[in-house]
Amino acid sequence: GAGVSQSPSNKVTEKGKDVELRCDPISGHTALYWYRQSLGQGLEFLIYFQGNSAPDKSGLPSDRFSAERTGGSVSTLTIQRTQQEDSAVYLCASSRGRDRGHYEQYFGPGTRLTVT
Amino acid sequence: AQSVSQHNHHVILSEAASLELGCNYSYGGTVNLFWYVQYPGQHLQLLLKYFSGDPLVKGIKGFEAEFIKSKFSFNLRKPSVQWSDTAEYFCAVKNSGGYNKLIFGAGTRLAVHP
Repeated sequence: GAGVSQSPSNKVTEKGKDVELRCDPISGHTALYWYRQSLGQGLEFLIYFQGNSAPDKSGLPSDRFSAERTGGSVSTLTIQRTQQEDSAVYLCASSRGRDRGHYEQYFGPGTRLTVT
Repeated sequence: AQSVSQHNHHVILSEAASLELGCNYSYGGTVNLFWYVQYPGQHLQLLLKYFSGDPLVKGIKGFEAEFIKSKFSFNLRKPSVQWSDTAEYFCAVKNSGGYNKLIFGAGTRLAVHP
């Protein structure tokens, strides 16, 4: 079936505005992850969902960042009062969430966020 | 905290040259190890993975990696690169006892010239 999809592909916003980034995981994948990739950096973990709950939010950089997942499917990452340092590519990944299938994460194309 | 180091940020090779990309991680417990690749304009995709057993792991497109526990290393190799291997390569580690988050290295950008 279809892979992980993300929208929008590009987002330019003004400093101080709120943004929402969307992720549609692969159908049937119960685990969902958000990462971000800043210029010249590797991928930085943000948050992990198992079903609709988030047992690991340890990577969210500040309380301006939040995420939710509904129906065990679509997830939204919200950044409030955006700052220039939030500029990055935000990547979503999903995995089957069972046994060793848990481990292979399939990545989406990312949302490139630019805060001006 | 766990971390992953990729020693080479940029590598330039000619076709048919051999490739070895270094990856070291810091974590004393049991780990699962991965190499991901991102071709220009494409998504990140899994190249190979190590869970347990034979420390020499073979992946897609002729790539292999060797887990050396004593050196905390998981270097990626390919005996003869092709122009189509031009991409960015990321090493990642997961703490096998923890949640499934992956800790990534900063990536190595490989350019293969014909």
